[in-house]
Amino acid sequence: GAVVSQHPSRVICKSGTSVKIECRSLDFQATTMFWYRQFPKQSLMLMATSNEGSKATYEQGVEKDKFLINHASLTLSTLTVTSAHPEDSSFYICSAPHPTVFEQYFGPGTRLTVT
Amino acid sequence: QKEVEQDPGPLSVPEGAIVSLNCTYSNSAFQYFMWYRQYSRKGPELLMYTYSSGNKEDGRFTAQVDKSSKYISLFIRDSQPSDSATYLCAMTFTGGGNKLTFGTGTQLKVEL
Repeated sequence: GAVVSQHPSRVICKSGTSVKIECRSLDFQATTMFWYRQFPKQSLMLMATSNEGSKATYEQGVEKDKFLINHASLTLSTLTVTSAHPEDSSFYICSAPHPTVFEQYFGPGTRLTVT
Repeated sequence: QKEVEQDPGPLSVPEGAIVSLNCTYSNSAFQYFMWYRQYSRKGPELLMYTYSSGNKEDGRFTAQVDKSSKYISLFIRDSQPSDSATYLCAMTFTGGGNKLTFGTGTQLKVEL
């Protein structure tokens, strides 16, 4: 099946620093990608929709200046957590809908720990 | 009221049991229904998707949709310890921009 990768899989950073997470669709082009965060034993919460060639669309309550999204190409979207704080520690997951088959593929996730 | 309700469990069953996982939803616009399996600290993996009322079978898994009752189910036959994971239902509709609305997930443990 189609593969979506994420990098890094785990990152630890100090409070106040910025962290970039990459999401790549490896064998199909994705004009849209989605970014989620997931707290322990909770479901996925959609943060934003990443659109190739245009601005990301953020869900209500998500700070766009804190969570910068760039859809650089048809296979790459990045999420940058700026000025990270301990409360930003979470599991971040991206997904990409396949362009021709009605399926959406998820990356393996990135665990962010802010100390 | 959440758009999609799912019992969070945890659900513990013996190996070989039939497992029934369920979601209810309130938005009648939902047309496509998916079940994802998520192992701890991993991304969700698509198990099955359906778009019409009725049953769809794939190996040990059967997805059932009842649009009139706004109720979907996933049945797992001959459950195995490797099935231990969190199961998330998700749904969307044409024109929804591919956005998925997820249930909270049900944590399943299949014990030897």
